[in-house]
Amino acid sequence: DQQVKQNSPSLSVQEGRISILNCDYTNSMFDYFLWYKKYPAEGPTFLISISSIKDKNEDGRFTVFLNKSAKHLSLHIVPSQPGDSAVYFCAVTGNQFYFGTGTSLTVIP
Amino acid sequence: GAGVSQSPRYKVAKRGQDVALRCDPISGHVSLFWYQQALGQGPEFLTYFQNEAQLDKSGLPSDRFFAERPEGSVSTLKIQRTQQEDSAVYLCASSYWGARGDTQYFGPGTRLTVL
Repeated sequence: DQQVKQNSPSLSVQEGRISILNCDYTNSMFDYFLWYKKYPAEGPTFLISISSIKDKNEDGRFTVFLNKSAKHLSLHIVPSQPGDSAVYFCAVTGNQFYFGTGTSLTVIP
Repeated sequence: GAGVSQSPRYKVAKRGQDVALRCDPISGHVSLFWYQQALGQGPEFLTYFQNEAQLDKSGLPSDRFFAERPEGSVSTLKIQRTQQEDSAVYLCASSYWGARGDTQYFGPGTRLTVL
């Protein structure tokens, strides 16, 4: 039973434009939300997080938005750069970490 | 400083063999997690240690899977009598406290292929 869903397996964006990655979760008790980035043959690396008491967190080019009523999380990357090309996983925490299936982002130069 | 390291990076086993996968967490990190990542999927939780205590092993798929962290630092994930469905990347992560929302730092993973 999938606790976290990333419905877009892939996304292509032109360099300089905005990338928007989406994530939906099922349990309203989750209270902390994270995005991880993964390059091939490497482990995921932490990117940005947000707690359930906020609806937005910004760090440089990366902004995470949380819509608790819709149980929806999104990551915005502006402007997108070719080095952002990677697989992005959202993760939520309750008693455990639950990861989505990932979205492969390709930023086209 | 050094990150999380895992060894071996790649392991090929014949069905029925036992394997042991090692994780060296970041020095001083209290919590250690093991995940299994099948092809095209996200990491799935296997087990969690706080120091040497295994606080949650609810994600271990069968009693063939066993994890230990006897001195609260290095951890070993052992899989007995491997099956083809065990083929996956096994990721280890550590965090300073392991509290909810505490950032987990991942190792590069061990890719296990069972023939």
